[in-house]
Amino acid sequence: QKEVEQNSGPLSVPEGAIASLNCTYSDRGSQSFFWYRQYSGKSPELIMSIYSNGDKEDGRFTAQLNKASQYVSLLIRDSQPSDSATYLCAVNKSGGSYIPTFGRGTSLIVHP
Amino acid sequence: EAGVTQSPTHLIKTRGQQVTLRCSPISGHTSVYWYQQALGLGLQFLLWYDEGEERNRGNFPPRFSGRQFPNYSSELNVNALELEDSALYLCASRDRSAETQYFGPGTRLLVL
Repeated sequence: QKEVEQNSGPLSVPEGAIASLNCTYSDRGSQSFFWYRQYSGKSPELIMSIYSNGDKEDGRFTAQLNKASQYVSLLIRDSQPSDSATYLCAVNKSGGSYIPTFGRGTSLIVHP
Repeated sequence: EAGVTQSPTHLIKTRGQQVTLRCSPISGHTSVYWYQQALGLGLQFLLWYDEGEERNRGNFPPRFSGRQFPNYSSELNVNALELEDSALYLCASRDRSAETQYFGPGTRLLVL
């Protein structure tokens, strides 16, 4: 089992729809979770972090964390073509190593 | 506030050569991380420097090395370049009081 798993996609959604990106992780003691957006040929850009169970909203983005199910997701409301990118899930394992494990990313395509 | 900077942006080398990549963290950040992202692969952790010391290294051969300077900037050195070293090399920095990493624009290395 991979430490951090994401569906590689591509996930294709129409403009204006909700895009739902999912990530599962194997280390039950993981404490910190991050979503990054990476445009083709560019570096990852932080979208948001989440540390507690539940939802965290920032503009059109909502991160959802369920530690019991070892699952973190990112919802993008009112998806725009400019949201087309690869979304990386990163998880800091327990023990304070501060070295996140990254998933391989999910490619999102928002079509007009 | 200036973000993480990296130089050079692009580099072409031949097999067997040596290369040095440079990174300047966000002002006030003391931790610097190096990652390799080969085409089609995820981010692979290379090295972590904090307060001038190497804190951890990923599963890479010793020909990958680096250092961190008193001003917290960092260098990544790769000796005896191999074709499979062709990748995007990313530097990220982190404030000691937080867990979030912020990435620089990356250096794209091509080994011929």
